Amino acid sequence: ETGVTQTPRHLVMGMTNKKSLKCEQHLGHNAMYWYKQSAKKPLELMFVYSLEERVENNSVPSRFSPECPNSSHLFLHLHTLQPEDSALYLCASSQDPTGLGASSTDTQYFGPGTRLTVL
Amino acid sequence: SQKIEQNSEALNIQEGKTATLTCNYTNYSPAYLQWYRQDPGRGPVFLLLIRENEKEKRKERLKVTFDTTLKQSLFHITASQPADSATYLCASDTGNQFYFGTGTSLTVIP
Repeated sequence: ETGVTQTPRHLVMGMTNKKSLKCEQHLGHNAMYWYKQSAKKPLELMFVYSLEERVENNSVPSRFSPECPNSSHLFLHLHTLQPEDSALYLCASSQDPTGLGASSTDTQYFGPGTRLTVL
Repeated sequence: SQKIEQNSEALNIQEGKTATLTCNYTNYSPAYLQWYRQDPGRGPVFLLLIRENEKEKRKERLKVTFDTTLKQSLFHITASQPADSATYLCASDTGNQFYFGTGTSLTVIP
C-alpha cells in the first residue's frame, strides 16, 4: 500500500455516460496529480493540483474535468468520452515545497489506477 | 524538444545475471533522475533518485548511475530474480514539466 487509493479500480462506460474517478491520499502531501497511461506510451501528465489550486493543465480535452476539494481528495469527472480515452488513469501525490506545482525531488506516490474502457 | 527516452522496450535475462536498463535525455539538463518499478495493472513505485552531482547510488541489489557527459542514467539489478520482472520507468523534471520514459519491460528467466 502506497497510501494513495483510487476508486473504482475498473470502469466501463459508454460514450454518453458521465462518471467520476476518485483519489484519496493519506500521506499529508500537498500536491496531487492525474496521469493517463496508454499502451506503449509514456505516462502523460494531465493535471496537477498544489495546495488545492490547479497549476498545470497540459492541453487535456474538456471532456475531462478535475476537482480538488481539499488536499487529500482529487476527482476526475468524465463526460462524453471517446474510445481512445480508454486507458489506465493514475493518481499520484507528493510534497511540493514550492506550492507552485513545480516538480520537486520528492517522489510521487501512485495509486493502483483505474482501468477505464470506453465503449 | 526536451525528451527522456528508454530505448529498450523489453529485456530478457537469465536469473542471477545483472540487468542493465538505460535512460537517455536530450535538450535539457535534469537536476535529478528517478527510477520507478511498475507491475501490470498497478501504479509505479519509486525505487531510487540520483542527483546530477552524484555519480552512483545504491540500494540493496539496485544501482543507478548518472553520466552528464553521455546524458544517460543506467539502472542495474544485480543477482536478478524472477520477482524482479516488471516494467522499469525513469523520470525527471525538465524545469517545465515532470516526464516519464516509456519504460523497459524486464523479464528474468528462471
